[in-house]
Amino acid sequence: GIQVEQSPPDLILQEGANSTLRCNFSDSVNNLQWFHQNPWGQLINLFYIPSGTKQNGRLSATTVATERYSLLYISSSQTTDSGVYFCAVERYGGTSYGKLTFGQGTILTVHP
Amino acid sequence: NAGVTQTPKFRVLKTGQSMTLLCAQDMNHEYMYWYRQDPGMGLRLIHYSVGEGTTAKGEVPDGYNVSRLKKQNFLLGLESAAPSQTSVYFCASTYRPIGTQYFGPGTRLLVL
Repeated sequence: GIQVEQSPPDLILQEGANSTLRCNFSDSVNNLQWFHQNPWGQLINLFYIPSGTKQNGRLSATTVATERYSLLYISSSQTTDSGVYFCAVERYGGTSYGKLTFGQGTILTVHP
Repeated sequence: NAGVTQTPKFRVLKTGQSMTLLCAQDMNHEYMYWYRQDPGMGLRLIHYSVGEGTTAKGEVPDGYNVSRLKKQNFLLGLESAAPSQTSVYFCASTYRPIGTQYFGPGTRLLVL
């Protein structure tokens, strides 16, 4: 199956700092999503981004499908950004069923 | 609009007991999924459904059964619980497979 690797595994920031999270995947994909899991365990979809660039407030994401990676940018981080960030993909090929394969996640801690 | 809800939120079972986890969505989504999340890991797909009356195996289906008798509900059953099934279970749904998945709040299951 497809392999998904996220880096760094852990990241500690001071409030106001910027950060970049990376997701590498081993095969072509037709579906890539970024999620934030807050400290209470809730998973929130941040972006659906199989290619290109999107922005939502202080967050933006870029996927370079031909080079098999995606980046999540967090600017002016806040303590509420703390949690685990997951990248999830579905391998391209035939019919899509939305069967996502998740990376291990990046644990982000933002200190005040 | 409640989105995706899961019942129960927390459950303790003894080895060999059975139980059913309920996932309900009010967004008229066709596609529904059950994932499990173990400590320090990303989510793994257990089973999924592409519409009412259909189910299919995901990455880790052993020990689980599912049913989708109504479009809005997706049930996950454990016939004979094992300690290895201690995990947090998440349900998700989406209108189309290549698109944003919406997650429920999770069910924490402890098997003793």
